[in-house]
Amino acid sequence: QVQLVQSGAEVKKAGASLKVSCKASGYTFTDLYIHWLRQAPGQGLEWLGWINPNSGATISARNLQGRVTMTRDTSITTAYMDLKSLTSDDAAMYYCARAIGVFKKWSFDIWGQGTLVTVSS
Amino acid sequence: QSALTQPASVSGSPGQSITISCTGTSSDVGGYNYVSWYQQYPGKAPKLMLYDVTDRPSGVSDRFSGSKSGNTASLTISGLQAEDEAVYYCSSYTSSGPLDVVFGGGTKVTVL
Repeated sequence: QVQLVQSGAEVKKAGASLKVSCKASGYTFTDLYIHWLRQAPGQGLEWLGWINPNSGATISARNLQGRVTMTRDTSITTAYMDLKSLTSDDAAMYYCARAIGVFKKWSFDIWGQGTLVTVSS
Repeated sequence: QSALTQPASVSGSPGQSITISCTGTSSDVGGYNYVSWYQQYPGKAPKLMLYDVTDRPSGVSDRFSGSKSGNTASLTISGLQAEDEAVYYCSSYTSSGPLDVVFGGGTKVTVL
C-alpha cells in the first residue's frame, strides 16, 4: 500500500544537526511532491518546505532558509530533511507528507508516522 | 499565533451538525481555493479530510463537507459521531509571508 515511513526518534544537543529520512512506497515516487512539516508538543502544524522528487527542486519556509536542506535519492525512493544549528525551538514531531496530486500540491494525503526530535542543552 | 484563525473548541451531541470556521486573508483563504482540512487524533499523524475547499479524498465520509465565503472557510460535520472527536486543522496556500502553506491553530471537537 501507499506509505511513507520515517526514520526513528532523535535526541540532539543544541547546535547539532538533524537528518530525517522518509521512505516512500506503493506509488511512483517521482510523480508527487513531498512536503515536510513539524508540530511542537501541544502545538499546531508548521509547514517547512517541499521537494519535487523528480527534479530535486526545493522550496523552504523563509524563516528556516539557510538552516534546512531537502534532498532525495530516487534510487531508494527516499526523501531527506536536514536541519542544522538546532535550538530548543526545533524540538517537535517532524512529518513528511505527500501532495495529493500533480497539480494539487498544497494538500497532503499520505503522511509519515512522524519522527520525534528532542533537543537538549 | 497561527496565520489562520480557528475556534479553540466546538462541541455537539451525537447526530447533530457542527461547523468549524477558518479565517484568513485575501492572500490565503480568500485568494485561492487551496483550503484543506485535517483530522488529528492524539499521538497520530494528521489525516486529510477535505482539499480544494470542498473535495473529499477517497474513503472520507460524506458527513464531512466544506465551503468558503470571502476570507473564511468552513468545515461542517453532519451526523456527529463519537469517532469524530479529534482536533481539526485548516490549511491554505498563501502568497504572502515566509511560508507557502499556513495552518490554523486547530479546533478540538468534543462529542458530548
